[in-house]
Amino acid sequence: NAGVMQNPRHLVRRRGQEARLRCSPMKGHSHVYWYRQLPEEGLKFMVYLQKENIIDESGMPKERFSAEFPKEGPSILRIQQVVRGDSAAYFCASSPTSKNTGELFFGEGSRLTVL
Amino acid sequence: AQSVTQPDIHITVSEGASLELRCNYSYGATPYLFWYVQSPGQGLQLLLKYFSGDTLVQGIKGFEAEFKRSQSSFNLRKPSVHWSDAAEYFCAVGSTSGTYKYIFGTGTRLKVLA
Repeated sequence: NAGVMQNPRHLVRRRGQEARLRCSPMKGHSHVYWYRQLPEEGLKFMVYLQKENIIDESGMPKERFSAEFPKEGPSILRIQQVVRGDSAAYFCASSPTSKNTGELFFGEGSRLTVL
Repeated sequence: AQSVTQPDIHITVSEGASLELRCNYSYGATPYLFWYVQSPGQGLQLLLKYFSGDTLVQGIKGFEAEFKRSQSSFNLRKPSVHWSDAAEYFCAVGSTSGTYKYIFGTGTRLKVLA
């Protein structure tokens, strides 16, 4: 039973380029969360999505960042016009329900480096 | 404001020694509490969780944690550390009201000496 799958595992972009990070939740999970881990820091919540709906994006930067979870296919976190401060590990997690009575299942992360 | 504090950024122990990693939280109600471990370049693996009931929680890899409401703490312990335990450990808080926004501490990096 595959876990949460994220790709790419590593991504290098130059300033001004776009970064797209993908996340396929665990089988049977319909809720996806994105967290960001800056160097030497803990994970910070970014956005919570269900299929075709953004439920909470209160942790997303106001500009350049967007997320989607289409009816078919993986969830995508998109960062436009990347800057050096976007360099971080981006973790996706999934859960089978919205209530926090269980754990979030995390992927192995996508590490973005902005040159 | 809700917060999680892990006061020790780095801890070094000898293999076979006991281990305690500290976690304090600030929360308005009884939270859900978690400990995750992250090996270099890897994702997060859940070690254990506390929702309710017995305040001493057993987890994987021989870890345990104790919830102390009076101290707002959820410290992680292991009686005998193995070299493979070297990793970063994160304490996290989740809301019992149904929110999904975990609040993570900044982590404690564990080094194990042979």
